[in-house]
Amino acid sequence: GENVEQHPSTLSVQEGDSAVIKCTYSDSASNYFPWYKQELGKRPQLIIDIRSNVGEKKDQRIAVTLNKTAKHFSLHITETQPEDSAVYFCAASPGSARQLTFGSGTQLTVLP
Amino acid sequence: EPEVTQTPSHQVTQMGQEVILRCVPISNHLYFYWYRQILGQKVEFLVSFYNNEISEKSEIFDDQFSVERPDGSNFTLKIRSTKLEDSAMYFCARGTGGGEQYFGPGTRLTVT
Repeated sequence: GENVEQHPSTLSVQEGDSAVIKCTYSDSASNYFPWYKQELGKRPQLIIDIRSNVGEKKDQRIAVTLNKTAKHFSLHITETQPEDSAVYFCAASPGSARQLTFGSGTQLTVLP
Repeated sequence: EPEVTQTPSHQVTQMGQEVILRCVPISNHLYFYWYRQILGQKVEFLVSFYNNEISEKSEIFDDQFSVERPDGSNFTLKIRSTKLEDSAMYFCARGTGGGEQYFGPGTRLTVT
């Protein structure tokens, strides 16, 4: 089955700096890669996703990149704000409503 | 997009008891999922449900678990004879068919 590795497990940045979280996956059949933000005690919230036919996608201060050959994808957050502090999870799926396999999460702390 | 609601928000049960967790769609959806998240760990897939049938299930989803849609609306996860290690957050998610999955607020299950 699919295995998703995520790094780093914790990340602290100064407000205004950029943050990068990286994930690798093992199953070449995976073609859908969402990112979720989970605040303490809350549900995972889908913040951005990318499909295998696209190399990069951007939504305001967040962007995702995908390297299908190397089987890795990354989340980039620019101009970080304290409200960006949360646990971020990457995930992978073969698409078509199939199950998501999650990474182990990154605790991002944005220091004011 | 509206997700789903879940009841109860917190369930405390004794080891060996049966519990039923409920997921209530806000509108008509065809794709549903159950995930669990042990405290401080990653989100793990349990089972997916499409058009009133199980479409995928993980190794975690053994004979102790069952899902059904008893009234064509609510979607339930039943855990028979709960164990201490079943203590976790259980999330219901609804899917779009295109891969996106939106999580409900979760039920915290505590087995004592």
